[in-house]
Amino acid sequence: EIVLTQSPATLSLSPGERATLSCRASQSVGSYLGWYQQKPGQAPRLLIYDASNRATGIPARFSGSGSGTDFTLTISSLEPEDFAVYYCQQRGTWPRTFGQGTKVERK
Amino acid sequence: QVQLQESGPGLVKSSGTLSLTCAVSGDSISSSHWWNWVRQTPEKGLEWIGEIFHSGSTNFVPSLKGRITLSVDKPQNQFSLKLSSVTAADTAVYYCARALLGGGLLDYWGQGILVTVSS
Repeated sequence: EIVLTQSPATLSLSPGERATLSCRASQSVGSYLGWYQQKPGQAPRLLIYDASNRATGIPARFSGSGSGTDFTLTISSLEPEDFAVYYCQQRGTWPRTFGQGTKVERK
Repeated sequence: QVQLQESGPGLVKSSGTLSLTCAVSGDSISSSHWWNWVRQTPEKGLEWIGEIFHSGSTNFVPSLKGRITLSVDKPQNQFSLKLSSVTAADTAVYYCARALLGGGLLDYWGQGILVTVSS
């Protein structure tokens, strides 16, 4: 099973700042990685699929990059609604696996 | 607009069987998407459980093989999860979700249902 390790565990930032989140895979997943946002009491929401493609309706301030084992989610300028937990997930092989999450909290 | 809705008992006795159904609207269960189950706990985070295609093809997480059954009900446009021999470790919020074309990544999710396994 592929293990996804996200860092940092918590990111403390202010609105308007840039957020950079990392996801590292224990073996290559090609470009088959996605990012989700989850707010308390809600289901995860797909932000990015296949490393760099924004899902439908996702604002341009969210961008993804990377391939192989190292991936990054960047939020260019944090809006108040962006404070949440972010997860990566790979679809390169079975079983599908998720990272443990990065919490973006308000400083 | 695609919508998914989980239903089923919120409380299951230890050693019993957890049974959940996911009703799909806005898309056909017979479309080219895979239909997934994911669970979440504070301790383990998000855990992908398994997926099913309308043909009946399935993939599961190895740790649950032997206990898990997935099925599709085309007339009702829904799919189901059965997990047998449950323990407290199966207590979680269970989500059903649709995968993007190509599989794996989940673009539509249900709201989630908390299932507690009691002793």
